[in-house]
Parts: sequence; C-alpha cells; structure tokens
Amino acid sequence: QVQLQESGPGLVNPSQTLSLTCTVSGGSVNSGDYYWSWIRQPPGKGLEWIGYIYYSGNSYSNPSLENRVTISVDTSKNHFSLKLKSVTAADTAVYYCARDLDQSFFDYWGQGTLVTVSS
Amino acid sequence: ETVMTQSPPTLSAFPGERATLSCRASQSINSNLAWYQQKPGQAPRLVIYGAFTRATGVPARFSGDGSGTEFTLTISSLQSEDLAVYYCQQYNFWPRTFGPGTKVEIK
Repeated sequence: QVQLQESGPGLVNPSQTLSLTCTVSGGSVNSGDYYWSWIRQPPGKGLEWIGYIYYSGNSYSNPSLENRVTISVDTSKNHFSLKLKSVTAADTAVYYCARDLDQSFFDYWGQGTLVTVSS
Repeated sequence: ETVMTQSPPTLSAFPGERATLSCRASQSINSNLAWYQQKPGQAPRLVIYGAFTRATGVPARFSGDGSGTEFTLTISSLQSEDLAVYYCQQYNFWPRTFGPGTKVEIK
C-alpha cells in the first residue's frame, strides 16, 4: 500500500519561500509508471493542481502560479519537494502531495499539511 | 484553461435515495474525467476515473457516466458514510483543473 506524507513548516512569513517535502513509502518515486504531484486547497475552498515531477527530474507547474514553483525529486531518499517563492496570504492552504498516474488523475494522496502565510 | 463547473452546490437526500451529481467542462475533454470524494477533515479519495471506471475498493453504488462536456456521478442508494464533498477533475488539457465541488448531505 503506497503512503505519502507531507512535512514542513506550518507557518511562513509573507514574501518568503514555502518549502515542503513528501516522503513516499510502499512505493518508489523512481518508478517510471508514475508522476508525483502537489495540490493545494485554501481553507473552505476547492482544489488547485500546483505541478508534478517525474523521477527523471522533468517537471511542470500550473501557469497560474507565475513561475514561483520549483518541484524536485530525490530518488535516494524516496521523496519529492515543493518550493513556492514570494508567498502571500493567498497561498495559505492545505498542501497535498499525490501519486499521479501517467499525468492524469491522482490515485494516492497524503493526509495534507496546513501552511499559513502570516507575519 | 478548462473550466469545470458542478451542480448542484449542495445536494440533500435521505438514506437509500438516489443522488445524481453533475459536472460540466468548458470544452470537450473526451472521457478524461475523474471524481473524488472528500470527507470532512480528510484528503480527497479517488472514486471514478476515465469517466466511468470505479477505483479500487469503491462500492458498486457509485457509478460515473458521460463524455465530451457533460458528466454525472450517481450514488444509487445513499448511505450515511457518503457524506462528503465530491469534486470532478479533467485531465485532457493542461493545467489539470477541478470543479468547485458538490456537498452531499444526508437528511
């Protein structure tokens, strides 16, 4: 059974960089069958796909985030990471990592981690 | 980007009743649609992909239909544990986008 677990600071100052890591167990980020995505959900609102990474390092992010996103993968640690720079209060959300089946839908999700942007 | 809309925003029904949720795409997405169930305080869970294929472990009372721009998720006999928000998501175009959700309440 694949499990994903997000980790990182729960509070980030405005204009700083949000950094999160997703650790995968029961599966390998090195598998060519899957991509690995980040998705967020502002409190009480809907879901927004942030971007994905492939084991090779290829990544793609949502243009709505205006090039603020960097997603990386560390196959030796079986985890992948998200950096979102120049954050504002609008970036306050629960951030989920998810397994991405061939750039389509998301079949396994982490439990999510709330990140609040505030001074 | 492809805009997804869902109706109704809230659906309230008695246990045992049939519940039909709708999802519409702003352009044709073929059958590249997934449905997720998000229970209070939990992460979303994949329910349907490919418009009509149930994910592993999903009860048979859940069914999906549609193609192109119009899709439905039907719960044939609503159970108390089906209380959740249901989201549709298209994966035909980049970026992948979600609908705003339908909240299912149990009377």
